[in-house]
Amino acid sequence: GAGVSQSPSNKVTEKGKDVELRCDPISGHTALYWYRQSLGQGLEFLIYFQGNSAPDKSGLPSDRFSAERTGGSVSTLTIQRTQQEDSAVYLCASSPNGGGRETQYFGPGTRLLVL
Amino acid sequence: QKEVEQNSGPLSVPEGAIASLNCTYSDRGSQSFFWYRQYSGKSPELIMFIYSNGDKEDGRFTAQLNKASQYVSLLIRDSQPSDSATYLCAPEEAGRRALTFGSGTRLQVQP
Repeated sequence: GAGVSQSPSNKVTEKGKDVELRCDPISGHTALYWYRQSLGQGLEFLIYFQGNSAPDKSGLPSDRFSAERTGGSVSTLTIQRTQQEDSAVYLCASSPNGGGRETQYFGPGTRLLVL
Repeated sequence: QKEVEQNSGPLSVPEGAIASLNCTYSDRGSQSFFWYRQYSGKSPELIMFIYSNGDKEDGRFTAQLNKASQYVSLLIRDSQPSDSATYLCAPEEAGRRALTFGSGTRLQVQP
């Protein structure tokens, strides 16, 4: 079946603008994760959604970052008033139930460049 | 702050050799440990996971876990040029489903 999809694949924006990044998880997966990866770095956790539970927002770096997941499926990560340090690859992953020892399946990522 | 330490490399091995990738972690509560492979410009993909002390083998890959030493490793036997990638270690923190990733070790397998 189809994997995790993300859009856009690339985004160039000017400092101070808002951006929205979209993630469509694998059908039937109830858990959805957002990470970001700066150049040459590991993945940094941002936010986690599991079913109808309150999301784990503990990884969001500032209040400029927010995310929604509507209908338990598609998720949107919004970055307001973008800064140059927000430039990174934003990766979305999903897993079947959000339980322990589950494989997280990653999408292709959105490469964000803030000028 | 939970930390995951990996040697950034590059680790260079000749084709056919054994590549040994190491990872230490700070969270004693971590129960499960994942190894992901990431090719340049691509997204991570799972190689294997381990949650019991000792060795776990899957084809050419063997994961080793020592919770007392807070150490996990990945051995790749008969290394191939196609194994050249960055390998990310990711412990699963107790009570938290998101993973904490190390910065990865870049492996280069020389033909």
